Amino acid sequence: SQQGEEDPQALSIQEGENATMNCSYKTSINNLQWYRQNSGRGLVHLILIRSNEREKHSGRLRVTLDTSKKSSSLLITASRAADTASYFCATDNRSGADGLTFGKGTHLIIQP
Amino acid sequence: SAVISQKPSRDICQRGTSLTIQCQVDSQVTMMFWYRQQPGQSLTLIATANQGSEATYESGFVIDKFPISRPNLTFSTLTVSNMSPEDSSIYLCSGWDTGLAGVLDEQFFGPGTRLTVL
Repeated sequence: SQQGEEDPQALSIQEGENATMNCSYKTSINNLQWYRQNSGRGLVHLILIRSNEREKHSGRLRVTLDTSKKSSSLLITASRAADTASYFCATDNRSGADGLTFGKGTHLIIQP
Repeated sequence: SAVISQKPSRDICQRGTSLTIQCQVDSQVTMMFWYRQQPGQSLTLIATANQGSEATYESGFVIDKFPISRPNLTFSTLTVSNMSPEDSSIYLCSGWDTGLAGVLDEQFFGPGTRLTVL
């Protein structure tokens, strides 16, 4: 299975700024999903983007997908202290039948 | 999406013992999975829990160490057998089903079970 890589591994910004996290993967995918995890708790699903989509928005979140470069980005606009968390991308390559392959994650810290 | 609960939420166990983690979904789902998250790491897929048949394990995980049951479409268990300190991790189950469009939609996760082995 492919290994996702996020960069940066850690990101610290001021409240109100935008945060951008990137994810790369190695093989073809069906869907790419972004998750948030607070302090080692369960994962919260943020957004799913399908392989035939290029951009998706949800509130303050914007996700892009470039299948030619096998990469995705997650943009959080107007960050808040509550956005402090770890963010993971995850891919599936056969309509979910094989489970997800997760990237290493980005730890985001929003300074108040 | 459906809601998943896990029991226990955390446990501290002695080396050599076994722990069974329960995962309950509030609606029927086609697919259920188990993942492990070692300290400071990302999630790794352990296995697919198949309803009414043996689980499908990923490379590096075996049934003798991580037996899994899935008796119906809403419930699954994962047992961590003969535990050692290296098994200290968060164990998460997830569910996946088709959305309104009839295609598989987002995969949703339980809150996890934090296991510490002494």
